[in-house]
Amino acid sequence: KQEVTQIPAALSVPEGENLVLNCSFTDSAIYNLQWFRQDPGKGLTSLLLIQSSQREQTSGRLNASLDKSSGRSTLYIAASQPGDSATYLCAVPNTNAGKSTFGDGTTLTVKP
Amino acid sequence: ETGVTQSPTHLIKTRGQQVTLRCSSQSGHNTVSWYQQALGQGPQFIFQYYREEENGRGNFPPRFSGLQFPNYSSELNVNALELDDSALYLCASSSGTSGYNEQFFGPGTRLTVL
Repeated sequence: KQEVTQIPAALSVPEGENLVLNCSFTDSAIYNLQWFRQDPGKGLTSLLLIQSSQREQTSGRLNASLDKSSGRSTLYIAASQPGDSATYLCAVPNTNAGKSTFGDGTTLTVKP
Repeated sequence: ETGVTQSPTHLIKTRGQQVTLRCSSQSGHNTVSWYQQALGQGPQFIFQYYREEENGRGNFPPRFSGLQFPNYSSELNVNALELDDSALYLCASSSGTSGYNEQFFGPGTRLTVL
């Protein structure tokens, strides 16, 4: 059974700092890994999808890496801004994209 | 292209009642998955519908049931509501059941059971 862990549970940084969020998974036989952003009480916004054959994906100030062999993914946020404050979740599908296992998220606060 | 929509946004029910939540999938998507997200936790998979048939269920009791319609929209029904059913209910659509597909989520329905 796949288990997904995100550490730390919460992170507070000053504006402008670069930061890394971590996601670990126990079963390395994955299809892809998806990073989401969730604002309080809202739905999930897809940030990046890394296929199992890829090592990293980039979108603007975000860069996600994937190391299947070690069961780890990182989300790097460059030059953080207060608008980046949110909870970031990673999800790993089982054999089916719609049956994903999620971590509990890292809640990021970027202070002006 | 229309994204995933859910209704209602918020709902308050009392213990023992029944509730129906609705989800419209993104255009071109034939697969809808439902998740329950308790406060401070990641979403938990409830079940999935693919081409109007249930295609897998998570660890949820039978009082959680669903439907998918020919236009691929979906309903989640919960009978005999319990206090622990209070959560954010999310639906996600994708273009198929492959593990390689990307999921797109709706804004969620916040259910409060009193």
